[in-house]
This record gives sequence, C-alpha cells and structure tokens, in this order.
Amino acid sequence: SQKIEQNSEALNIQEGKTATLTCNYTNYSPAYLQWYRQDPGRGPVFLLLIRENEKEKRKERLKVTFDTTLKQSLFHITASQPADSATYLCALDMSGGYQKVTFGTGTKLQVIP
Amino acid sequence: DGGITQSPKYLFRKEGQNVTLSCEQNLNHDAMYWYRQDPGQGLRLIYYSQIVNDFQKGDIAEGYSVSREKKESFPLTVTSAQKNPTAFYLCASSRKQGAKDTEAFFGQGTRLTVV
Repeated sequence: SQKIEQNSEALNIQEGKTATLTCNYTNYSPAYLQWYRQDPGRGPVFLLLIRENEKEKRKERLKVTFDTTLKQSLFHITASQPADSATYLCALDMSGGYQKVTFGTGTKLQVIP
Repeated sequence: DGGITQSPKYLFRKEGQNVTLSCEQNLNHDAMYWYRQDPGQGLRLIYYSQIVNDFQKGDIAEGYSVSREKKESFPLTVTSAQKNPTAFYLCASSRKQGAKDTEAFFGQGTRLTVV
C-alpha cells in the first residue's frame, strides 16, 4: 500500500527565513498531492494542491514542488512568521477525485521570533 | 457561513458503551469522511461516503458504524467493539470524485476519551 513519509522531527526556523518541508512517498505516483495545515486541537485546513503534470505551484508565501521521479514533494514557506507555526500534513490520492486519501504524519514547524 | 460542524468537541464514554459523534455540513458536498488521529500518527480513514445511502469501509472500520441518510449528515458510532477508542476524530467533506476541486474541508474534531 502507498506509504507517505514526512520528517517526524520538529523543524525550528528563525523568523524571516524560508522553511522547507519534505514529503516522500512510495509505490505509485499519485494523480495529485495536497498540503494541509493543522493547529493543535483543530482540524486540518487545506493549503495547496499540485497535480502530477505540474512541477510547481505557488500561493502567496507558499510554494509546492512535485518531483515524480524522486517521488517527493517539497513545501516552502518564504519569509516565515511565528504565525506559521503549526503541523503541516501532506496527503495524496491515486484516483482523480478525493476518495481514499492517505495522509502523512505531519511535520511540526516552529518559527522562532 | 458554509462549513462542516462536529459535535461535541469533547466526549467521555464509559467502557462498554456505544457513543455517536455528529457531523453536519452545509457545503452541498456529496462526499463525507471520518478519520481518526492518534498522537504521532497521521489521519487514518474509518469510513467514507460518496453519496446518500451508500458508504464504504476505510482502513480501520472495525468497531465503528456510520449512516448517510441525508446529504448533510454523516454520524459516526463508536461501538463497544472498538478496543481502543480514545482518540481525536475528524470529519471531512469534499466534492465528489472526478470534480475539479477536490480538497477536503474538515470539522474542528471531537476528542473522545474512554473513562
């Protein structure tokens, strides 16, 4: 079955720097990959979706890349702020729609003022 | 405001009791899902439904049951057969399979504790 690996270690970064989070997957390349943000005790919030035929996607200070050869997605937050501190989850699905999406365990990001 | 609402936020259950978690959405989404989240683990899919009166088991359906009698509602019952029910439960909804925008919208979660 598809496995997703995110760095389980927390990532600490200085305010203003770029944070880079990694999502690796095994087996087949998904039709698309999603990134979500989760704050403690709350449900995840969708951030970005990138499709298998897209190399890069941007939204304000966020950038996602998708390398199907490496089976990896990178999630970047530029000019990071303390408010960006949260757990970031990647998720992927093999189908064209949202059906049995597999989530990673998430990486906790701490932006230090 | 459109959204997805879970209730209650906290729930305590005695061993051997069934308990039902509520999930309602007014986003007009066809698909709804239940996930379980444990510390240090990702979200694990319990059940999902793509259409009213139909639902499928996810990866960890044992000890759980659902119903989908209305498009807006997808309640989850945690039965006494679930051996380790203490967890954070998340409900989500999305447009149905094949739709262009397929991201999931999550509720705020219900934290269930067995006492």
